[in-house]
Amino acid sequence: AIQLTQSPSSLSTSVGDRVTITCRASQGINSAVAWYQQKPGKPPRLLIDDASSLESGVPSRFSGSGSGTDFTLTISSLQPEDFATYYCQQFSSYPLTFGGGTRVEIK
Amino acid sequence: QITLKESGPTLVKPTQTLTLTCTFSGFSLTTSGVSVGWIRQPPGKALEWLAHIYWNDDYRYTPSLKNRLTITKDTSKNQVVLTLTNMDPVDTATYYCARRQDVWSPGGGFDIWGLGTVVIVSS
Repeated sequence: AIQLTQSPSSLSTSVGDRVTITCRASQGINSAVAWYQQKPGKPPRLLIDDASSLESGVPSRFSGSGSGTDFTLTISSLQPEDFATYYCQQFSSYPLTFGGGTRVEIK
Repeated sequence: QITLKESGPTLVKPTQTLTLTCTFSGFSLTTSGVSVGWIRQPPGKALEWLAHIYWNDDYRYTPSLKNRLTITKDTSKNQVVLTLTNMDPVDTATYYCARRQDVWSPGGGFDIWGLGTVVIVSS
């Protein structure tokens, strides 16, 4: 199974900051990565698909990049509603796998 | 509007079989390219993909649970059913069903999720 390692596992930051979350795959997966945002008690929300495609309705401050084994989710200017946990997921091959999550907290 | 909703027991005893139903609307599992999956999340932990079923009856299971899982679909009822046998306290989690992006599209993420259903395994 392809393993996804997210870093950092958590970070404390402030409104307006630029945030970068990385996801490293244990083998090359082209651009087969999706990124999700999850708030407590809620299901995940798809933000980015195919590594860099912004889902409809997702603010443009979110962006994704990368291919092969290294991927990045960037929030250009963190807003109060962005404090949440973020997950990457690969869909290159079964079993589908998720990263361990990155919790973005208020400093 | 596309929606999915999970239903099933909240409490199950160890060794029992869990049966969860995902009832969806706004799309059909008879449409080419459509698929639905199950994902779970133990309290305070990460997401774990469990199983997936396609419009063409193809299906996949996570290897670690393959011997315990069964996924089926009832297209007349717009439902996907997941069974997990021999339940254990470690199976305590919120269980989600979700629609995956069309197989003909570049993406492969889960674009629509149900709200989830909590399952507690305890005697």
